[in-house]
Amino acid sequence: DSGVTQTPKHLITATGQRVTLRCSPRSGDLSVYWYQQSLDQGLQFLIQYYNGEERAKGNILERFSAQQFPDLHSELNLSSLELGDSALYFCASSVAAGDGNTIYFGEGSWLTVV
Amino acid sequence: QKEVEQDPGPLSVPEGAIVSLNCTYSNSAFQYFMWYRQYSRKGPELLMYTYSSGNKEDGRFTAQVDKSSKYISLFIRDSQPSDSATYLCAMSRTSDTGRRALTFGSGTRLQVQP
Repeated sequence: DSGVTQTPKHLITATGQRVTLRCSPRSGDLSVYWYQQSLDQGLQFLIQYYNGEERAKGNILERFSAQQFPDLHSELNLSSLELGDSALYFCASSVAAGDGNTIYFGEGSWLTVV
Repeated sequence: QKEVEQDPGPLSVPEGAIVSLNCTYSNSAFQYFMWYRQYSRKGPELLMYTYSSGNKEDGRFTAQVDKSSKYISLFIRDSQPSDSATYLCAMSRTSDTGRRALTFGSGTRLQVQP
């Protein structure tokens, strides 16, 4: 158990809908990352937050957004969902932006868009 | 060309064999190198990390980094069926703003046959 908690573990939704994925980082970790893993793309970095502020942006679509709250939990919002958005979404956390080499992953949220 | 290249496998070996997993990369700015193990539909688990060039050993696992060749390796001695998983290399760099995000290889699927 990495200490990173993600909910929900699984969800199925229809195209055009919106979902929110939730992440609680490890105790003491200030930095949260979101990754997408699909069969054909591997693990793709989406976005990073550090202590409530956006720190780095990767291949995140405009239909997707994220935020980190004062209690350090984070949410990833996916809207206008398409079939191609079906993937495993991982949250990860690290102690600080200066310690990015020790990133711990949650178990993921498996999203299926039908 | 991807920044990080990794042979997807699958790599099948008998129990007790020495396994060699490798990644090449193109960006000389990478300074931190990691190996993650991922069981099916689970979150990646950090196995090893190294900074810059050199070797690091932890039990049956040895990580090697050759920055001059832009080549990293993970060796698994006395491989066990429980080592069967996908192994992902990852690397990161520090920009002037201190932002870090991991760039992953596509993963090599390892099967250790009993």
